[in-house]
Amino acid sequence: QKEVEQNSGPLSVPEGAIASLNCTYSDRGSQSFFWYRQYSGKSPELIMFIYSNGDKEDGRFTAQLNKASQYVSLLIRDSQPSDSATYLCAVSGGGGSNYKLTFGKGTLLTVNP
Amino acid sequence: GAVVSQHPSWVICKSGTSVKIECRSLDFQATTMFWYRQFPKQSLMLMATSNEGSKATYEQGVEKDKFLINHASLTLSTLTVTSAHPEDSSFYICSAAGLGLYEQYFGPGTRLTVT
Repeated sequence: QKEVEQNSGPLSVPEGAIASLNCTYSDRGSQSFFWYRQYSGKSPELIMFIYSNGDKEDGRFTAQLNKASQYVSLLIRDSQPSDSATYLCAVSGGGGSNYKLTFGKGTLLTVNP
Repeated sequence: GAVVSQHPSWVICKSGTSVKIECRSLDFQATTMFWYRQFPKQSLMLMATSNEGSKATYEQGVEKDKFLINHASLTLSTLTVTSAHPEDSSFYICSAAGLGLYEQYFGPGTRLTVT
């Protein structure tokens, strides 16, 4: 059974700092990796996706993927109070189910003004 | 782009009744739609995958006769919770994917409360 592990947090950072969110996954055949942001009571919002080893940057967000270590991370630079939310890591691919997403339980991030 | 809507956003129903939830992709054709359920403080759990014009594929442990899914067109899928019970109270979220399937875009969710 595929597993996606995240530290539940809460992770607390001051405004303007870098927030680092981590995720590990069990299925070595996983091919696609996603970060979603979910505000309380709302549905997830796609922030970034990454398919290849290395870094992918989009504005204040950088996703990092290391398939050998089965590890994916999300860095948020210049954190803002509006970034306070639960961040969900999701993976897909491998095991014959190329498109099904398996979600971690999420990390609660709090950015303090 | 990639906007997905759900209706209703919240619903309260009595035990034993049925509730229908609609999921629409507004600006793209969704070849595949997914239905998730999320209980408080827990992550999303995939219930079923539906493809336009074919029967839905349910995840293990999800009762297909209780959670009826219809994907009538490339922009509309519906989830009907039949004979709802209080334990079915949850946040139901749909997502839609285009031809590439690699990115799923989520609807705003429907909060169901069964009394």
